Amino acid sequence: QVQLQESGPRLVKPSETLSLTCTVSGGSITSYFWTWIRQPPGKGLEWIGYDYYSGSTNYNPSLKSRVTISVDTSKNQFSLKLSSVTAADTAVYYCARRVSWSGYYDSWGHGTLVTVTS
Amino acid sequence: QSVLTQPPSVSGAPGQRVTISCTGSSSNIGAGYDVHWYQQVPGTAPKLLMYNNANRPSGVPDRFSGSKSGTSASLTITGLQAEDEATYYCQAYDSYLSGLFGGGTKLTVL
Repeated sequence: QVQLQESGPRLVKPSETLSLTCTVSGGSITSYFWTWIRQPPGKGLEWIGYDYYSGSTNYNPSLKSRVTISVDTSKNQFSLKLSSVTAADTAVYYCARRVSWSGYYDSWGHGTLVTVTS
Repeated sequence: QSVLTQPPSVSGAPGQRVTISCTGSSSNIGAGYDVHWYQQVPGTAPKLLMYNNANRPSGVPDRFSGSKSGTSASLTITGLQAEDEATYYCQAYDSYLSGLFGGGTKLTVL
C-alpha cells in the first residue's frame, strides 16, 4: 500500500516562498498524477495542482502564477513551491495521488499545517 | 465559474438514511465526468469513500452508495452510525479547474 508523507517548514514569513516535499513509499512515483491540495482552517478543500511523473503539470488558475510542482523520480518525491505567500495561504497542505488526469485521489498524506506569519 | 454545490449540513438519527447531493454543471458532471466522494473526520486527511460515481474502495461498508444523473450526484448512507459523523466532499474533473471539489457537507448523527 503506497504511503505519502509531507515534510517542510511549518512557519513561513509573508512574501517568502513556501516549500514542501512529499515522500512516496511502498510504490513507484512513475505513473499517476502527483497532487497538492490545501485546506484553510475551518474551510473546504482547494486543489493546487499536479505534476505527472513525466513532467506535465496542471495548476489551479487562481494560483498558477505562484506555484511550481515537480516530481523527482530518483528520490520518489514530489515538491510544492508557492511564492509570495500571504496570510491567506495559511492552510493544511496535503499531498495526494491521483489515478488519472480526470480521476480520483486514492492515497493521501496526513497533511501538514503551514502558517504564514511574520 | 466552476462549482460543485453541496448542502452545508445534513443530520440524521442512528439507523436512519441520509442523502448528500452534489450539483454541478455542463463543464463537469454534466459533461459526463465521474464523481468521487471523500470522508473527512476532524483532524484527519480525507479518505476516498466512493469512486467513479458508485464504486466503493475495499473496506468501505455497503451502507454507503453513490449515484449520478445529469448534472448531479448523490451519496446515500443507510443505517446511520455514530462513526459516520464527518464532513463529506464530492469531487469531479472540470474543464476549467481539473481538481474541483464541492464545498463539503457536515453530517451530524443525532
